[in-house]
Amino acid sequence: GENVEQHPSTLSVQEGDSAVIKCTYSDSASNYFPWYKQELGKGPQLIIDIRSNVGEKKDQRIAVTLNKTAKHFSLHITETQPEDSAVYFCAASMGLGNTPLVFGKGTRLSVIA
Amino acid sequence: AAGVIQSPRHLIKEKRETATLKCYPIPRHDTVYWYQQGPGQDPQFLISFYEKMQSDKGSIPDRFSAQQFSDYHSELNMSSLELGDSALYFCASSLGRTGEDTEAFFGQGTRLTVV
Repeated sequence: GENVEQHPSTLSVQEGDSAVIKCTYSDSASNYFPWYKQELGKGPQLIIDIRSNVGEKKDQRIAVTLNKTAKHFSLHITETQPEDSAVYFCAASMGLGNTPLVFGKGTRLSVIA
Repeated sequence: AAGVIQSPRHLIKEKRETATLKCYPIPRHDTVYWYQQGPGQDPQFLISFYEKMQSDKGSIPDRFSAQQFSDYHSELNMSSLELGDSALYFCASSLGRTGEDTEAFFGQGTRLTVV
């Protein structure tokens, strides 16, 4: 089955700097890659996603890149703010309709003011 | 906009008791997923339903069962509870009939504590 590796497990950045989180996946059939932000005591919140027919997607300060050949995808957050502090999870699925997501282990991002 | 509703938010049970967790998906969503998240862990897939039929099964113990009802809400039934079942249980919903994976939205979770 699919295996998703995520790193780093923790990341501290100064406010205003950029943060990059990287994930790799094992199943070449996977073609849907969402990113979730989880704050303490809350459910994961979808922040951006990308499909295999796209190499990059951007939404304001957040961008995701996908390299399907290398089977890795990354989350980029620019101009980080203290409210960006949370645990971020990458995930992958086969994109065939109602297939479950396989999550990475998560990255705890701390933005220091 | 309506989100995924889970109840109860918190639940305390004793060992060997049973628990029932409920999930109400976003209106018009036909797919429900259940995940278990231990402290400091990533969400682990348990089971999913599409159009009231089980569609995928993950690491769900035999002591657990689930179903999706005609109104698309789902219930996770947990019996013979063990201390190790203490975790956050999340439900997510999506629209599966499009034939490709669409956004899955998560509820706020049920925190189950087994004592």
